[in-house]
Amino acid sequence: EAGVVQSPRYKIIEKKQPVAFWCNPISGHNTLYWYRQNLGQGPELLIRYENEEAVDDSQLPKDRFSAERLKGVDSTLKIQPAELGDSAVYLCASSIRILAGGPTDTQYFGPGTRLTVL
Amino acid sequence: AQSVTQLDSHVSVSEGTPVLLRCNYSSSYSPSLFWYVQHPNKGLQLLLKYTSAATLVKGINGFEAEFKKSETSFHLTKPSAHMSDAAEYFCVVSVRGYNKLIFGAGTRLAVHP
Repeated sequence: EAGVVQSPRYKIIEKKQPVAFWCNPISGHNTLYWYRQNLGQGPELLIRYENEEAVDDSQLPKDRFSAERLKGVDSTLKIQPAELGDSAVYLCASSIRILAGGPTDTQYFGPGTRLTVL
Repeated sequence: AQSVTQLDSHVSVSEGTPVLLRCNYSSSYSPSLFWYVQHPNKGLQLLLKYTSAATLVKGINGFEAEFKKSETSFHLTKPSAHMSDAAEYFCVVSVRGYNKLIFGAGTRLAVHP
């Protein structure tokens, strides 16, 4: 079974430039997550999708970040314009809802996109 | 609110000796707890999860963790370290039924020959 696919794996851009990351979740997984992992820290959730709907985007800096999940499968995360502080690894994860109100679903992570803003 | 504290940022062991990575959590509700491992330039891999069943949870690669509610701890152990265990380990808490993971800062495990 294929895992979560992300591209590109690495991206170097200059500040104020736009950048986009792409994620293809595990087939059949209805929930998709974007995380940001700063150097030396654990990942932090940016946005969570249930199918096409963004159900938790409270940590997404909406002035420069945007995300979409058309057709409830692939997702794109965009930053425009990028700032130096956006340098981080951007992780995508997916899960499948087993039981509403039950244990937290297991999330499966992609390899991430390492962004460097110069 | 939920939070996780990993008590050691770095742990160093010799190959063949036991591993102990410590984690304390805070949760207002019945938590789900996880340990993930991250090898360099690779994605996070689930080692094990606790979801209110058995308090001693066995995971992959010989790792296990014990949920101790009275101590609010979920320490990760392995009887004998292998060189391939060298990686970053994250303790994670989530409120049962909510798919929001709160990660600890991570513990870097080094394994020496």
